[in-house]
Amino acid sequence: QVQLVESGGGVVHPGNSLRLSCAASGFMFNRRGMHWVRQPPGKGLEWVAVTSLDGFNEYYADSVRGRFTVSRDNSKNTMYLQMNRLTTDDTAVYYCARGGGSMTTQTFFEDWGQGVLVTVSS
Amino acid sequence: QSVLTQPPSASGTPGQSITISCSGSSSNIGNNLVDWYQQLPGTAPRLLIHSNNQRSSGVPGRFSGSKSGTSAYLTISGLQSEDEADYYCAAWDDSLSGRGLFGGGTKLTVL
Repeated sequence: QVQLVESGGGVVHPGNSLRLSCAASGFMFNRRGMHWVRQPPGKGLEWVAVTSLDGFNEYYADSVRGRFTVSRDNSKNTMYLQMNRLTTDDTAVYYCARGGGSMTTQTFFEDWGQGVLVTVSS
Repeated sequence: QSVLTQPPSASGTPGQSITISCSGSSSNIGNNLVDWYQQLPGTAPRLLIHSNNQRSSGVPGRFSGSKSGTSAYLTISGLQSEDEADYYCAAWDDSLSGRGLFGGGTKLTVL
């Protein structure tokens, strides 16, 4: 079955960097777009970024564009989120999600990981 | 303030039908497919409805989705206590550089 396992979360000071990973199994990783979605404590969901199935196209939320970079290594079935210049507003549970359709530009998230907590605090 | 607007709360009694709305614009709901997610407390979201009205595998038939113009709707027929959860709509937005959007979420209480 499909498994998505996030790692790399933790506590970081404002202005610092962190890299999240999402290890995938149970499906053809190089056939699906992959997304990051986050949820601040007690708040709603926010879409963060997507990488196309071949890694050649990326899209970002306005709130993270220029600071975050999404990438993937299809040989390792793993997606990454490099987060730079972190602020307290980036504190959230970060989920990776598998795109469900053939297009990168859609919000059809067929499977989700369990999430990883990132806390930005001084 | 979310670009996709949902009522913050909804409620109903067991057996009732309820509809949750999601209002957007021509650059998102009006021109793209809408998806719906359910999130139980302390768990990851779960896909309920994709592509406006397609139930995800394993989702009970009492959940249905529809879209009209720039609004989308999630209907739960025959409400059950286990349906108490947060519900989110989502759609791609074609404005600016392109981005994914979620509604602000609707907390459903089964009385």
